[in-house]
Amino acid sequence: EVHLVESGGGLVQPGGSLRLSCAASGFTFSSYWIHWVRQVPGKGLVCISRISPDGGFTHYADSVKGRFTLSRDNAKNTLYLQMNSLRVEDTAVYFCARGTASKPGVDYWGQGTLVTVSS
Amino acid sequence: QTVVTQEPSLTVSPGGTVTLTCASSTGAVTTDYSPNWFQQKPGQAPRALIYNTNNKHSWTPARFSGSLLGGKAALTLSRVQPEDEADYYCLLFYSGNPMFGGGTKLTVL
Repeated sequence: EVHLVESGGGLVQPGGSLRLSCAASGFTFSSYWIHWVRQVPGKGLVCISRISPDGGFTHYADSVKGRFTLSRDNAKNTLYLQMNSLRVEDTAVYFCARGTASKPGVDYWGQGTLVTVSS
Repeated sequence: QTVVTQEPSLTVSPGGTVTLTCASSTGAVTTDYSPNWFQQKPGQAPRALIYNTNNKHSWTPARFSGSLLGGKAALTLSRVQPEDEADYYCLLFYSGNPMFGGGTKLTVL
């Protein structure tokens, strides 16, 4: 069974850093794109980053470009989102989600981890 | 700035049929955008329903179907059940870059 489990969320001050992890199981992790999606409480879903199966390609939304770095360790079946220079507006639930095998898409989601940026 | 637009809210009666749509500010939505649809209930992660316009996941109930309609992606719910009350999001891919619509709050009343 496919599982994605995010961790690392919490309370951080503006300007601070946090590293989120996404641990995967139940599938061949190294064969799939992985996406990070965030959701401000009460608002919609926003794609912020994605990474290719081998980690050689990453893409970031303009809102996080230059501040967030996405990487993966295929030997550990784990994805990492390093978030620096955090802003109040980065407060959200962060989800990792698996890309579909063929055509562009997303199928399995983690349960999410809450990041709160506040002084 | 590309924008993906959905109806903010819709209401449907139990047992009825409702169609949610997903439009792109760049023009007509085609299969090239590989439309995906997701359902999200309060306090839960999103759940995938449809991928590549009209393909169902193994867990997608038969009453959900995806299509293209009038230049938009569409999600049709037939024989609506009370448990279908949720937020629904479409996702379009622009040369591989994913973008969500703002979501539709579906009320079953």
